[in-house]
Parts: sequence; C-alpha cells; structure tokens
Amino acid sequence: ETGVTQTPRHLVMGMTNKKSLKCEQHLGHNAMYWYKQSAKKPLELMFVYSLEERVENNSVPSRFSPECPNSSHLFLHLHTLQPEDSALYLCASSQELGGGLYGYTFGSGTRLTVV
Amino acid sequence: AQKVTQAQTEISVVEKEDVTLDCVYETRDTTYYLFWYKQPPSGELVFLIRRNSFDEQNEISGRYSWNFQKSTSSFNFTITASQVVDSAVYFCALTGTASKLTFGTGTRLQVTL
Repeated sequence: ETGVTQTPRHLVMGMTNKKSLKCEQHLGHNAMYWYKQSAKKPLELMFVYSLEERVENNSVPSRFSPECPNSSHLFLHLHTLQPEDSALYLCASSQELGGGLYGYTFGSGTRLTVV
Repeated sequence: AQKVTQAQTEISVVEKEDVTLDCVYETRDTTYYLFWYKQPPSGELVFLIRRNSFDEQNEISGRYSWNFQKSTSSFNFTITASQVVDSAVYFCALTGTASKLTFGTGTRLQVTL
C-alpha cells in the first residue's frame, strides 16, 4: 500500500467517549502533520512531528493528544470532545519538515462527528 | 508571518468555460514555495503543482496553467475548457522557512453541464 492512509474514514462519538484516529504513511517521509478542517474555516494545523518528535503544537486543547510511535505512524487520541470538534481531520506527511521541496501528501481524512 | 488569500469563495461555471482561481500571498521569506491542491468530495487533498520563489516561469499541464507573478505576490490557476470532474475545492498554499504549510481558505468550483 502506498501514500497516506487514515482510519477510520468516519467516526461518530459521544462527548464522554475516548477514541483514536490513525494515520500511516509508506512513503519514507520524515515529517507528519495533523490538520483540522471545519466547515467554512481555513485548514488549521494542529500538530507537527519531525522524526517522531513533536516540533509544533498550535494551542490545541488538551482533549486532543497526538502520538507518533515511529516515523510511519501518527495517532490522534480524542477524549471528552465537544460538538464544535466535529470536522474533517486530515493527516499529511512530507519528505522534509515544512514540505518545501516536494510538498505534502495527504490522507483522505477522518470525518468526525461529536454528538 | 505567512498568509494566503483566496478571495473567491465560490465560482460557478458552465462546462467548457475557462476559469481562473486567484491566490495572493504574503511572506517575509526570500525563499518560499507555493502550491495548489485540489480537494474533491472524497476529502483527500490532491497535489497539483509546486513552484519555488526563484522560478517565475508560467507552467501548463494539459488544461491547467499557472501564472506566478512575484511583483504582485500572486499565483493564479486557470482551468481551460472546464469539465464537471473539475468540480472541487481548490487550495493555494505557501511554505517558507517555517515548518508548516499555510493554506488559503479555498475556492469552491462548481462546473455544471
């Protein structure tokens, strides 16, 4: 399998649930990213990992907890979410941090609905 | 700070019309990269083109063409003879020395028969 794979594609969860989003890349990239895409809002960068180390955390609420166990996998652990957290969560990877040379490769996203 | 502005929120055209999507950017970096991505209804952002700040040559790929003008900080995207399959949200993006890609708000293109 090639590219960036995200699972699940759709997720409905209650506000008291705990769930995790998974992202996997088989491109040999060194950097991985989580973005949030809400309706009628710009894409918001949430977290950046480079060589498994978090290099950026953009004031994201603590109910979102990222994990990068190795350079191929990235998780986003969710707990006690709010309805306004409903959005499309996109994972991306790039060969080098910042993606300037070759850009980012995106997954298809997880459509999250918090009820 | 980096900023990308896509002033056109939605554009609707009839098939076979040409359409231009505007992108204006701001950056203090002298070396930077500009991108266009397409997001079809499936959700995945598909890479279309990358341009670095030292290469102002316009590029054509099939029905797609890009006009990069540093003097006006613009990187516009034109689709010639649009097709229904071109319907999507298109994002312009910028990266420089910072560790992140900054996106515009996107332009939704609707192509109808």
